[in-house]
Amino acid sequence: EPEVTQTPSHQVTQMGQEVILRCVPISNHLYFYWYRQILGQKVEFLVSFYNNEISEKSEIFDDQFSVERPDGSNFTLKIRSTKLEDSAMYFCASSRQEAQHFGDGTRLSIL
Amino acid sequence: AQKVTQAQTEISVVEKEDVTLDCVYETRDTTYYLFWYKQPPSGELVFLIRRNSFDEQNEISGRYSWNFQKSTSSFNFTITASQVVDSAVYFCALSGLETSGSRLTFGEGTQLTVNP
Repeated sequence: EPEVTQTPSHQVTQMGQEVILRCVPISNHLYFYWYRQILGQKVEFLVSFYNNEISEKSEIFDDQFSVERPDGSNFTLKIRSTKLEDSAMYFCASSRQEAQHFGDGTRLSIL
Repeated sequence: AQKVTQAQTEISVVEKEDVTLDCVYETRDTTYYLFWYKQPPSGELVFLIRRNSFDEQNEISGRYSWNFQKSTSSFNFTITASQVVDSAVYFCALSGLETSGSRLTFGEGTQLTVNP
């Protein structure tokens, strides 16, 4: 069964550094998403992407964040200058219609 | 605004017991979708089910069943004859197409522990 893949599984970064999280969505999916989950808390929506542009973003998704689909397969989330509070699990998801399928997540640890 | 409430923070049962996880939602949309996801200790999110707001039929899949009641804005999840492998955090989620696009709004999750 096709799945969403995310790399790396764990990223450790110094505060203030830029980080790029990578995702390969399911190949025939059209909608792409990033969510985050701070340890022990619920999953929160960050951004959705469709037809090569952001379709929706939450208040969490400020100017420090950006997304890109640089080629036909990858979907990336960049955090420009990381803060301690960016430490979380970041999930990529994709969907063809309504059912979003999630990757295994990237655990981001900011030191 | 969308909201999903899972009032049960933690539930602990003994293997073979039945357990019901509650989910109550709020939305102004007339068309919306409800979901359940499982998050095992390894951390990934596993899709379990999607229901749309026009389909109130209950659904059964093996030991899992879902009870959607629009009148009470609830979408409860029952595991019959629970097993240790069912131990996980279970999230209920909502997407309302009219006011929030396709974003998922998650509840706080219910930690289910099934003891042998």
